[in-house]
Amino acid sequence: ELKVEQNPLFLSMQEGKNYTIYCNYSTTSDRLYWYRQDPGKSLESLFVLLSNGAVKQEGRLMASLDTKARLSTLHITAAVHDLSATYFCAVDPAYSGAGSYQLTFGKGTKLSVIP
Amino acid sequence: DTGVSQDPRHKITKRGQNVTFRCDPISEHNRLYWYRQTLGQGPEFLTYFQNEAQLEKSRLLSDRFSAERPKGSFSTLEIQRTEQGDSAMYLCASSNRGPLEAFFGQGTRLTVV
Repeated sequence: ELKVEQNPLFLSMQEGKNYTIYCNYSTTSDRLYWYRQDPGKSLESLFVLLSNGAVKQEGRLMASLDTKARLSTLHITAAVHDLSATYFCAVDPAYSGAGSYQLTFGKGTKLSVIP
Repeated sequence: DTGVSQDPRHKITKRGQNVTFRCDPISEHNRLYWYRQTLGQGPEFLTYFQNEAQLEKSRLLSDRFSAERPKGSFSTLEIQRTEQGDSAMYLCASSNRGPLEAFFGQGTRLTVV
């Protein structure tokens, strides 16, 4: 069974600081996704990482994927209050040879950026 | 609006009642997914359709749950004899290329009292 673990689960940080969220997963996969969810809202796609070594950046967020270590990171640079949300990583096992179509999500990291 | 649409947005039902949710995917998307999300957890996969064919079901999808996608367009998710443990947000997503670039709807929040 594919397991996806995120840490930390809760993160409180001051505006202007940097921090990294980690996503470890238990099976081989070349595809990993990051989503953002605001309270009571649905999921917004942030990044799609398609291969080992992939790095994508959008504004103050940068995501990377190391398939050999089975690790993805979401780095936040100079945090601002608007980044407060829950961030999920999700692994696509279809590319592990498992033949499944489902995404497996981590439990999420609830980020609070304090002014 | 060309996004994934779900109806209703909120549903409160008494235990033991049946409920049905609807999902209208983005019109050109042939792949449709249902997920369930409980408070403080990530979404959990329920089922997947490619066109009208239901190709995968999670073990979470007990006999009380059934999903359909007639004609490969909209989909419905029915829960029979609801239980308090069914209280959750039910999310629908659609895409053209598997989970890649799947777009999620706003969800239906179910509360079973």
